[in-house]
Amino acid sequence: NAGVTQTPKFRVLKTGQSMTLLCAQDMNHEYMYWYRQDPGMGLRLIHYSVGEGTTAKGEVPDGYNVSRLKKQNFLLGLESAAPSQTSVYFCASSFQTENTEAFFGQGTRLTVV
Amino acid sequence: SQQGEEDPQALSIQEGENATMNCSYKTSINNLQWYRQNSGRGLVHLILIRSNEREKHSGRLRVTLDTSKKSSSLLITASRAADTASYFCATKTDSWGKLQFGAGTQVVVTP
Repeated sequence: NAGVTQTPKFRVLKTGQSMTLLCAQDMNHEYMYWYRQDPGMGLRLIHYSVGEGTTAKGEVPDGYNVSRLKKQNFLLGLESAAPSQTSVYFCASSFQTENTEAFFGQGTRLTVV
Repeated sequence: SQQGEEDPQALSIQEGENATMNCSYKTSINNLQWYRQNSGRGLVHLILIRSNEREKHSGRLRVTLDTSKKSSSLLITASRAADTASYFCATKTDSWGKLQFGAGTQVVVTP
């Protein structure tokens, strides 16, 4: 039982390059989330999905796009990376019941130079 | 904007001592959750307290919630070196499961 798996774990991009971060969960969770973590700021929600084929904006969505074509996968895309997107990205998933916890992946450390 | 704010930002204690950290939030909540993050790792769920609960225990963890003051506290009793980590409170304010996190409390437990 892998839980939430993020790919890749580390990546260095040049400004203007694009990339996709993959999140996969094997717990049959309906809800999935992408957060970014910056020093001293906790985690901020980028985008989330409440089911296959649905996506919605979170607190800091600018510069990112997402897709949820399959229930178990949630992709985060950077079309034109900027140094301000240097961060650690975390994917999480949860059941749709109200009082339930979120399960997090191990994170992707992205550096944009 | 962050919903939750933890206090203190950092805490250094010796093994065997208790560690207490506080979380304040701004809007009404469905529940409040505490997570632990070891260095370089993902977040791990510790405990969830519902808005109609006042206190909850799990092993060496005790969480309180005061909705009138919009605050919560996490107590770790008899700390161990393995408790060294950052601790985050997160509030759930809607039905979509979105969590809003504070900046965290960094706890160092020395042997």
